[in-house]
Order: sequence, then C-alpha cells, then structure tokens
Amino acid sequence: NAGVTQTPKFQVLKTGQSMTLQCAQDMNHEYMSWYRQDPGMGLRLIHYSVGAGITDQGEVPNGYNVSRSTTEDFPLRLLSAAPSQTSVYFCASSYDGTGYGYTFGSGTRLTVV
Amino acid sequence: QKEVEQDPGPLSVPEGAIVSLNCTYSNSAFQYFMWYRQYSRKGPELLMYTYSSGNKEDGRFTAQVDKSSKYISLFIRDSQPSDSATYLCAMRGVTNAGKSTFGDGTTLTVKP
Repeated sequence: NAGVTQTPKFQVLKTGQSMTLQCAQDMNHEYMSWYRQDPGMGLRLIHYSVGAGITDQGEVPNGYNVSRSTTEDFPLRLLSAAPSQTSVYFCASSYDGTGYGYTFGSGTRLTVV
Repeated sequence: QKEVEQDPGPLSVPEGAIVSLNCTYSNSAFQYFMWYRQYSRKGPELLMYTYSSGNKEDGRFTAQVDKSSKYISLFIRDSQPSDSATYLCAMRGVTNAGKSTFGDGTTLTVKP
C-alpha cells in the first residue's frame, strides 16, 4: 500500500519556468489537497479537490493551477515560477469520515532561483 | 489575525517530562480537531483526532478540546527522545475533509 506518492522529491527551477508536481494516491480517497510549508508559517492550503472533476482554491492559490481528471491523481502546476514559490510542497488525501485525517506524501522541495 | 494560533515554542524538556502543546482558534465552525507529528524532512503524520469537545487518550498521548474557550491541547506523558518532532494542530468544519487549517507548529526536543 503506497499511500500518497509525490514526485519529484527535489527540484530547482529558474524564474519564469513552468513545471508540474505530481501526486498520486491509491486509497480511493475522495479529497485531495496541496499545501506549501514555509519556515515559521505552518502549512498553507493552495488548492483542494472534493472529487474527480471538482477543484477549488485555498488560502494561497495565485501562481498555481490544478486539475483532477481521476480519483487517483492531483497534479499541481506552477505557471511561471517565482522565487517566492521556493517552499516544500505537500500533497495530502483524505476520506470524509469521523476519525480520518490527512495522509500526506513525503513532499517536494522546490527552489526557484 | 490567523484562524488558528499555536504556541510557537520551541520546547526542550528532559526525558520523562509531561509536555503540553496548545492551540487557540477563532472559527466557531471548526468541529474536527487533529494533531499531526512531523519529523525533520518528512511529511506530517496524523497522531490524534477528536470530534467536538472532550478528551481522547491513546497511550501516552491525550488530546483535549474545549470548544467554549476555543482551545485545544495535546499532552504527552513520559516523553521520550523519539517524541522529538514538530507538532501541528489542525482543524476543520463538518463538511469538506479537504480543507483543514493548520497552526504554525511547535518544535519539541526531548533530551535523554
């Protein structure tokens, strides 16, 4: 049981480049979310999805796009990378039931130079 | 003002101490309260989950929720060096399991 798989683990981008962070889960969870974690700022929600074909914005959506064509996959696209997007990105999935929290991936460390 | 405020720490305690980690919140709609543990350079993992007010115990860990005061706590008894990690509180409303709000985390070091 792989859980939530994120790729790549590390990435360095130049300002203005675009890229896609991949996220896949094999638990048939309805909900998937992307967070970024910056020093001293905890986890901030970028975008989330309540099911295939349905996405919505979180607290810090600017500069990012998402889509969810299948239950399993929830990629995050950086449209034109900026140094302010240097962060650790976590994908998480969840089942909507009492007692269930998130299952997180291991993260992608992104540096924009 | 943030919806969730967490005692910033860091905390450093001797092995065997009782640790108290705390968060306050302002959104009355929050009904589910979670604590996550995050080891260095790893993803967070769910530690405790509580619905509405009350206490929940799991081994050395006790989660406490006081909705009237909008205050939640995590207690760790007989702390061990392996408990050294960052602890994140999180909470959400009844609907939308994909939209939790997190505190900024408290880093705990337990010294042997």
